[in-house]
Amino acid sequence: KAGVTQTPRYLIKTRGQQVTLSCSPISGHRSVSWYQQTPGQGLQFLFEYFSETQRNKGNFPGRFSGRQFSNSRSEMNVSTLELGDSALYLCASSPRLGGYTFGSGTRLTVV
Amino acid sequence: EDQVTQSPEALRLQEGESSSLNCSYTVSGLRGLFWYRQDPGKGPEFLFTLYSAGEEKEKERLKATLTKKESFLHITAPKPEDSATYLCAAAYRDDKIIFGKGTRLHILP
Repeated sequence: KAGVTQTPRYLIKTRGQQVTLSCSPISGHRSVSWYQQTPGQGLQFLFEYFSETQRNKGNFPGRFSGRQFSNSRSEMNVSTLELGDSALYLCASSPRLGGYTFGSGTRLTVV
Repeated sequence: EDQVTQSPEALRLQEGESSSLNCSYTVSGLRGLFWYRQDPGKGPEFLFTLYSAGEEKEKERLKATLTKKESFLHITAPKPEDSATYLCAAAYRDDKIIFGKGTRLHILP
């Protein structure tokens, strides 16, 4: 069975630009969560969507936003990119709380 | 403050040398404690879920246990392929989840 698919795998953007990352969850999984991973801070929760509704949100500025479509696919958007936004962005899907399956992530580099 | 702390940050073991990784948590209303393994350049891979104190789960050379304040991941006779970063996470009230920063495990052949 297909896993969680994240696109693109790598991305280089310039400060001030915006970026959209995509996540296709495992078929049948209705919960999609997004995380930012950096060497210093570890995995930090961005937000979770369930049936197109944002269920939880982490402590990130409003520049970080997301959405979920009716087919459970999700996108996250970061506007006005800063150097500190360089990180591995991970998406995870789950049929229930906690049993997450993660994608391989999108490595974002802001220059 | 709700938090999850993992120790040690890094651990180097000889092949066959058993040890334990610690995950201490202070959250209100724990709903589940999760362990993941992460290899470089990849997303975390789910290992175990523990729901209540006293619960234990095993998979090959790994065994996870849970108390009211911490969880342990015991690694018995590890092999080089067990080298990875091991993450724990606590799910708690309002369906929130916090990850620890992980333990980088390196098994020397």
